[in-house]
Amino acid sequence: GENVEQHPSTLSVQEGDSAVIKCTYSDSASNYFPWYKQELGKRPQLIIDIRSNVGEKKDQRIAVTLNKTAKHFSLHITETQPEDSAVYFCARRRSYIPTFGRGTSLIVHP
Amino acid sequence: NAGVTQTPKFQVLKTGQSMTLQCAQDMNHNSMYWYRQDPGMGLRLIYYSASEGTTDKGEVPNGYNVSRLNKREFSLRLESAAPSQTSVYFCASSDSWTAYNEQFFGPGTRLTVL
Repeated sequence: GENVEQHPSTLSVQEGDSAVIKCTYSDSASNYFPWYKQELGKRPQLIIDIRSNVGEKKDQRIAVTLNKTAKHFSLHITETQPEDSAVYFCARRRSYIPTFGRGTSLIVHP
Repeated sequence: NAGVTQTPKFQVLKTGQSMTLQCAQDMNHNSMYWYRQDPGMGLRLIYYSASEGTTDKGEVPNGYNVSRLNKREFSLRLESAAPSQTSVYFCASSDSWTAYNEQFFGPGTRLTVL
């Protein structure tokens, strides 16, 4: 599958700050972009997703934006809390097979 | 509903030994997947099954085989384990073959090959 580049690999913020994680992809046919959160020792779980015909989607403190022209999408977390500390994975899908980024370890300091 | 379940949770093998990782889902999903997760590498697809009766290779299939036993169960077999196969293995399922369906992951199997 096509690669997905995810940055940064580690992100450290103070509680209450915002966090932004960015992913870029190369396959212009990608049409679905999910984000997963994985807490230490747990399974990945979907937190938000966006389809290619939508530019932005928001769910409480998290939002995802998609720029199809530039082929990048970003996860935004506002008012971060210690329980947001986890590894976040972006992914992109074209038809049936998803390709995941390498993950961002978010650390929220109280 | 239990969702996606995997057995065993932990396993230690010696080089050359074989074993089968079991996965089952009770959500009546059509598609099932096996991933491996290594530090700094994200989730890499080993094999997938779009529907009962079909299986296909993913990004890193070498050294593995799979069986879609029925709609609920999808097993992953290591015929001759190697230290490079030390990893955490996740099984996942989704409702259909199409792009927009959420994948649900199992709790993972932590495998160490000595």
